[in-house]
Amino acid sequence: AQSVTQLGSHVSVSEGALVLLRCNYSSSVPPYLFWYVQYPNQGLQLLLKYTSAATLVKGINGFEAEFKKSETSFHLTKPSAHMSDAAEYFCAVTPYNRLAFGKGNQVVVIP
Amino acid sequence: GAVVSQHPSRVICKSGTSVKIECRSLDFQATTMFWYRQFPKKSLMLMATSNEGSKATYEQGVEKDKFLINHASLTLSTLTVTSAHPEDSSFYICSASAPGGNTEAFFGQGTRLTVV
Repeated sequence: AQSVTQLGSHVSVSEGALVLLRCNYSSSVPPYLFWYVQYPNQGLQLLLKYTSAATLVKGINGFEAEFKKSETSFHLTKPSAHMSDAAEYFCAVTPYNRLAFGKGNQVVVIP
Repeated sequence: GAVVSQHPSRVICKSGTSVKIECRSLDFQATTMFWYRQFPKKSLMLMATSNEGSKATYEQGVEKDKFLINHASLTLSTLTVTSAHPEDSSFYICSASAPGGNTEAFFGQGTRLTVV
Protein backbone atom coordinates (compact mmCIF):
# COMPACT_ATOMS: atom_id res chain seq x y z
CA ALA A 1 0.00 0.00 0.00
CA GLN A 2 1.01 3.58 -0.54
CA SER A 3 1.15 6.25 2.14
CA VAL A 4 2.72 9.59 2.92
CA THR A 5 3.79 11.20 6.15
CA GLN A 6 3.73 14.93 6.73
CA LEU A 7 5.10 16.08 10.05
CA GLY A 8 4.05 19.20 11.88
CA SER A 9 0.40 19.98 11.27
CA HIS A 10 0.98 23.75 11.68
CA VAL A 11 3.92 25.56 10.14
CA SER A 12 4.57 29.23 10.81
CA VAL A 13 6.88 31.15 8.53
CA SER A 14 7.78 34.81 8.34
CA GLU A 15 6.98 36.70 5.18
CA GLY A 16 10.05 36.54 2.93
CA ALA A 17 11.48 33.49 4.68
CA LEU A 18 11.98 30.00 3.29
CA VAL A 19 9.00 27.70 3.23
CA LEU A 20 9.87 24.04 3.82
CA LEU A 21 7.23 21.33 4.07
CA ARG A 22 8.40 17.77 4.53
CA CYS A 23 6.87 14.72 2.93
CA ASN A 24 8.06 11.14 3.18
CA TYR A 25 6.39 8.39 1.26
CA SER A 26 6.01 4.66 1.29
CA SER A 27 5.23 2.84 -1.90
CA SER A 28 5.51 -0.73 -3.13
CA VAL A 29 5.80 0.47 -6.73
CA PRO A 30 7.64 3.42 -8.27
CA PRO A 31 5.60 6.33 -6.99
CA TYR A 32 4.02 9.32 -8.57
CA LEU A 33 4.02 12.15 -6.04
CA PHE A 34 1.99 15.32 -5.81
CA TRP A 35 1.69 18.46 -3.75
CA TYR A 36 -1.70 20.15 -3.53
CA VAL A 37 -2.81 23.40 -1.94
CA GLN A 38 -6.23 24.00 -0.44
CA TYR A 39 -7.73 27.33 0.51
CA PRO A 40 -10.63 27.45 3.01
CA ASN A 41 -13.78 25.75 1.77
CA GLN A 42 -12.31 25.07 -1.64
CA GLY A 43 -11.13 22.05 -3.54
CA LEU A 44 -7.52 21.15 -4.15
CA GLN A 45 -5.21 22.81 -6.61
CA LEU A 46 -2.18 21.02 -7.95
CA LEU A 47 1.10 22.75 -7.12
CA LEU A 48 3.43 20.27 -8.76
CA LYS A 49 3.94 16.59 -9.48
CA TYR A 50 6.71 14.06 -9.88
CA THR A 51 6.13 11.42 -12.53
CA SER A 52 9.51 9.71 -12.85
CA ALA A 53 11.14 12.34 -15.05
CA ALA A 54 13.30 15.10 -13.54
CA THR A 55 13.83 14.72 -9.81
CA LEU A 56 13.65 18.47 -9.20
CA VAL A 57 10.17 19.59 -10.04
CA LYS A 58 9.09 23.19 -10.39
CA GLY A 59 5.48 24.12 -9.83
CA ILE A 60 3.22 27.12 -9.70
CA ASN A 61 3.57 30.12 -7.41
CA GLY A 62 7.32 29.66 -7.04
CA PHE A 63 7.16 26.27 -5.34
CA GLU A 64 9.45 23.38 -6.12
CA ALA A 65 10.09 19.91 -4.74
CA GLU A 66 12.87 17.38 -5.05
CA PHE A 67 12.32 13.65 -5.28
CA LYS A 68 14.94 11.70 -3.35
CA LYS A 69 14.50 7.99 -3.70
CA SER A 70 17.23 7.14 -1.19
CA GLU A 71 15.43 9.17 1.45
CA THR A 72 11.89 8.34 0.22
CA SER A 73 11.19 12.05 0.40
CA PHE A 74 9.49 14.74 -1.66
CA HIS A 75 9.90 17.94 0.32
CA LEU A 76 8.26 21.15 -0.86
CA THR A 77 10.10 24.46 -0.76
CA LYS A 78 9.66 28.08 -1.69
CA PRO A 79 12.51 30.55 -1.22
CA SER A 80 10.42 33.48 -0.07
CA ALA A 81 7.01 33.21 1.56
CA HIS A 82 4.19 35.54 0.59
CA MET A 83 1.07 36.26 2.58
CA SER A 84 -0.92 34.57 -0.16
CA ASP A 85 0.85 31.29 0.61
CA ALA A 86 -1.19 30.87 3.78
CA ALA A 87 -3.20 27.71 3.13
CA GLU A 88 -3.30 23.96 3.74
CA TYR A 89 -0.80 21.86 1.84
CA PHE A 90 -1.15 18.15 1.14
CA CYS A 91 1.37 15.68 -0.14
CA ALA A 92 -0.05 12.69 -2.00
CA VAL A 93 1.21 9.48 -3.57
CA THR A 94 -0.45 7.32 -6.14
CA PRO A 95 -0.39 4.62 -8.52
CA TYR A 96 -3.18 5.00 -10.99
CA ASN A 97 -4.79 8.19 -9.71
CA ARG A 98 -6.01 6.64 -6.44
CA LEU A 99 -4.43 9.22 -4.23
CA ALA A 100 -3.30 8.64 -0.67
CA PHE A 101 -2.93 11.94 1.14
CA GLY A 102 -0.82 13.02 4.04
CA LYS A 103 -2.45 14.75 6.98
CA GLY A 104 -1.59 18.17 5.63
CA ASN A 105 0.34 21.21 6.80
CA GLN A 106 -1.47 24.38 7.74
CA VAL A 107 0.89 27.18 6.73
CA VAL A 108 0.62 30.49 8.53
CA VAL A 109 2.59 33.43 7.16
CA ILE A 110 3.61 36.02 9.70
CA PRO A 111 3.96 39.61 8.43
CA GLY B 1 -5.71 22.17 -16.81
CA ALA B 2 -8.94 20.29 -17.13
CA VAL B 3 -12.02 21.40 -15.22
CA VAL B 4 -14.07 19.36 -12.81
CA SER B 5 -17.27 20.96 -11.63
CA GLN B 6 -18.91 19.90 -8.40
CA HIS B 7 -22.41 20.95 -7.42
CA PRO B 8 -23.73 22.18 -5.07
CA SER B 9 -20.94 23.96 -3.25
CA ARG B 10 -22.98 24.16 -0.07
CA VAL B 11 -26.09 22.35 1.08
CA ILE B 12 -28.02 22.23 4.31
CA CYS B 13 -30.51 19.45 4.80
CA LYS B 14 -32.67 18.01 7.55
CA SER B 15 -31.88 14.75 9.27
CA GLY B 16 -33.42 11.81 7.49
CA THR B 17 -33.43 13.35 4.05
CA SER B 18 -31.15 12.48 1.13
CA VAL B 19 -28.73 14.76 -0.66
CA LYS B 20 -27.22 14.31 -4.11
CA ILE B 21 -23.86 15.77 -5.07
CA GLU B 22 -22.79 15.92 -8.69
CA CYS B 23 -19.30 15.77 -10.11
CA ARG B 24 -18.78 16.60 -13.77
CA SER B 25 -15.70 16.60 -15.94
CA LEU B 26 -16.33 19.51 -18.28
CA ASP B 27 -13.73 19.11 -21.00
CA PHE B 28 -12.53 15.54 -20.82
CA GLN B 29 -13.90 12.05 -20.37
CA ALA B 30 -13.27 10.51 -16.99
CA THR B 31 -13.55 6.75 -16.86
CA THR B 32 -12.73 6.91 -13.17
CA MET B 33 -13.77 9.39 -10.55
CA PHE B 34 -12.96 9.40 -6.88
CA TRP B 35 -14.95 10.62 -3.90
CA TYR B 36 -13.23 11.93 -0.80
CA ARG B 37 -14.43 13.13 2.54
CA GLN B 38 -12.61 15.71 4.59
CA PHE B 39 -13.28 16.23 8.28
CA PRO B 40 -12.44 19.58 9.89
CA LYS B 41 -8.70 20.07 10.21
CA LYS B 42 -8.15 16.58 8.80
CA SER B 43 -6.83 15.12 5.61
CA LEU B 44 -8.86 13.74 2.76
CA MET B 45 -10.18 10.24 3.18
CA LEU B 46 -10.90 8.25 0.04
CA MET B 47 -14.46 6.97 0.23
CA ALA B 48 -14.88 5.19 -3.08
CA THR B 49 -13.70 4.80 -6.62
CA SER B 50 -16.36 5.33 -9.24
CA ASN B 51 -16.03 3.58 -12.58
CA GLU B 52 -18.21 4.45 -15.52
CA GLY B 53 -20.73 1.76 -16.22
CA SER B 54 -19.93 -0.42 -13.23
CA LYS B 55 -20.40 -0.53 -9.50
CA ALA B 56 -18.30 1.70 -7.33
CA THR B 57 -15.52 0.28 -5.21
CA TYR B 58 -15.83 1.39 -1.62
CA GLU B 59 -13.05 1.74 0.91
CA GLN B 60 -13.15 -0.26 4.07
CA GLY B 61 -15.49 1.22 6.62
CA VAL B 62 -17.57 3.22 4.15
CA GLU B 63 -21.23 2.21 4.09
CA LYS B 64 -22.33 1.39 0.57
CA ASP B 65 -26.01 1.84 1.34
CA LYS B 66 -25.36 5.14 3.02
CA PHE B 67 -23.26 6.69 0.29
CA LEU B 68 -24.69 5.74 -3.07
CA ILE B 69 -22.43 6.37 -6.04
CA ASN B 70 -23.55 6.35 -9.64
CA HIS B 71 -21.26 6.90 -12.63
CA ALA B 72 -23.72 6.84 -15.49
CA SER B 73 -21.61 8.58 -18.11
CA LEU B 74 -18.00 9.44 -18.86
CA THR B 75 -18.52 12.96 -17.57
CA LEU B 76 -20.80 12.57 -14.56
CA SER B 77 -20.62 10.83 -11.22
CA THR B 78 -23.04 11.41 -8.37
CA LEU B 79 -22.80 10.78 -4.64
CA THR B 80 -26.06 10.50 -2.75
CA VAL B 81 -25.97 10.67 1.03
CA THR B 82 -29.07 8.76 2.09
CA SER B 83 -30.97 9.28 5.32
CA ALA B 84 -28.49 11.93 6.34
CA HIS B 85 -27.54 12.42 9.98
CA PRO B 86 -25.60 15.24 11.63
CA GLU B 87 -22.48 13.05 11.74
CA ASP B 88 -22.53 13.01 7.92
CA SER B 89 -21.84 16.72 7.94
CA SER B 90 -18.52 17.17 6.20
CA PHE B 91 -16.71 18.50 3.16
CA TYR B 92 -16.99 16.13 0.20
CA ILE B 93 -14.63 16.41 -2.76
CA CYS B 94 -14.54 14.54 -6.04
CA SER B 95 -11.69 14.10 -8.45
CA ALA B 96 -11.50 12.86 -12.00
CA SER B 97 -8.74 11.70 -14.27
CA ALA B 98 -8.48 11.21 -17.99
CA PRO B 99 -7.92 7.63 -19.16
CA GLY B 100 -4.42 6.24 -18.76
CA GLY B 101 -2.33 5.42 -15.75
CA ASN B 102 -1.08 8.06 -13.34
CA THR B 103 -2.40 11.05 -15.16
CA GLU B 104 -3.16 14.15 -13.16
CA ALA B 105 -6.26 14.08 -10.99
CA PHE B 106 -8.39 17.20 -11.18
CA PHE B 107 -10.50 18.15 -8.22
CA GLY B 108 -13.93 19.63 -7.91
CA GLN B 109 -14.51 22.65 -5.71
CA GLY B 110 -15.98 20.54 -2.93
CA THR B 111 -19.38 20.43 -1.29
CA ARG B 112 -19.96 21.53 2.29
CA LEU B 113 -22.78 19.39 3.65
CA THR B 114 -24.47 20.39 6.88
CA VAL B 115 -27.15 18.13 8.31
CA VAL B 116 -29.39 19.75 10.91
